[in-house]
Amino acid sequence: QSALTQPASVSGSPGQSITISCTGSNSDVGHYNFVSWYQQHPGKAPKLIIYEVTKRPSGDSNRFSGSKSGNTASLTISGLQAEDEADYYCISFTTSYTWVLGGGTRLTVL
Amino acid sequence: QVQLQESGPGLVKPSQTLSLTCTVSGDSISDDYSWTWIRQPPGKGLEWIGDISFNGNTNYNPSLKSRVTISVDTSKNQFFLNLNSLTAADTAVYYCARTGNNWNPWGQGTLVTVSS
Repeated sequence: QSALTQPASVSGSPGQSITISCTGSNSDVGHYNFVSWYQQHPGKAPKLIIYEVTKRPSGDSNRFSGSKSGNTASLTISGLQAEDEADYYCISFTTSYTWVLGGGTRLTVL
Repeated sequence: QVQLQESGPGLVKPSQTLSLTCTVSGDSISDDYSWTWIRQPPGKGLEWIGDISFNGNTNYNPSLKSRVTISVDTSKNQFFLNLNSLTAADTAVYYCARTGNNWNPWGQGTLVTVSS
């Protein structure tokens, strides 16, 4: 199974917005709306921040938003804060009843 | 509040079998979810290992399928990972997670080192 493609790194200044892309295929991202995004701080377990492409877990920050167009999903973080500096991963369910992940994106807040 | 906790040996020898347990609290493992194992080698990205559904059906990462077995004990509210023929490349933090249309929540993870 092919991994989803994410940029290795992105950066932005406090207050700015950034977008992380996650490109898959017609067999995963393009087929299902079961794309989710996870934030991982060093030494910590990943935390769900977006599920089913656009939904946020209850009580979580509305600075995080998700979207999808064709085979590419995107995570946008608005109003960047220092605490947003972390690794971000996308995952998608596939038509083979497996899960496929992106390689992760390191977000640096300048 | 659902919580998951991984447990198992921190050090395993090459060629041996790794056995890990994930204990679920705050939810019944027999509910309509799947239960997933994920790993992360030091300094690298996440890798999906496989999952088991509430009715015992399993799905595995094709790259690990020949070496992996995931099972469940509903009476103990636990599920398990067995990974055989270990090499240094299997050194990683191993996580368990509850799975619906996403992975949430996760356990805190347990580091497994494969070394003689």
